[in-house]
Amino acid sequence: EIVLTQSPDFQSVTPKEKVTITCRANQTIGSSLHWYQQKPDQSPKLLIKYASQSISGVPSRFSGSGSGTDFTLTINSLEAEDAAAYYCHQSSSLPVTFGQGTKVEIK
Amino acid sequence: QVQLQESGPGLVKPSETLSLTCTVSGGSISSYYWSWIRQPPGKGLEWIGYVYYSGSTNYNPSLKSRVTISIDTSKNQFSLNLTSVTAADTAVYYCAGQYSSSSCVDSWGQGNLVTVSS
Repeated sequence: EIVLTQSPDFQSVTPKEKVTITCRANQTIGSSLHWYQQKPDQSPKLLIKYASQSISGVPSRFSGSGSGTDFTLTINSLEAEDAAAYYCHQSSSLPVTFGQGTKVEIK
Repeated sequence: QVQLQESGPGLVKPSETLSLTCTVSGGSISSYYWSWIRQPPGKGLEWIGYVYYSGSTNYNPSLKSRVTISIDTSKNQFSLNLTSVTAADTAVYYCAGQYSSSSCVDSWGQGNLVTVSS
């Protein structure tokens, strides 16, 4: 099973600040890495697919990069509505797995 | 994009079977992979397994001995059965859809909280 480790677990950020969340896999997964945003009491929402591909309707301040084992989700100019938990997900091999999540709080 | 809605009991007794159904609307259940994913309160996401519209399945090895996922294309529904539940199975259960077995999950249900308790 592929293990995904996110860092940090928690981040408190002021509006307009830049946020960087990393996801590291314990074996190479190519670009089969996706990012989701989950707000309290809501289901996850797809933000970025295949490491860096944007999703229609997702604000352009969200971007992704990386390949192999190291990936990054960047939120440029954080807005209050971005307070949420963020999860990475690998679909390279079964069972698919998720990172433990990163909670972003707005100061 | 399709809409997904879970249905089923919110409370299940220990050792019994958890059964949930997901209804797909706004599109066909065919040519897609349909998954169940769960999230214990305050914790992360765990993939349970998927069913393809043809009926083929794949399960998480950690749950494989207790899980069955089935599909009824005539009703545009797929279902989850999880046997011999314990308190550790308490979670929000999401049904979800993806266009291939190795793709991202692009459709999610609202989630159904299932509590295992006597």
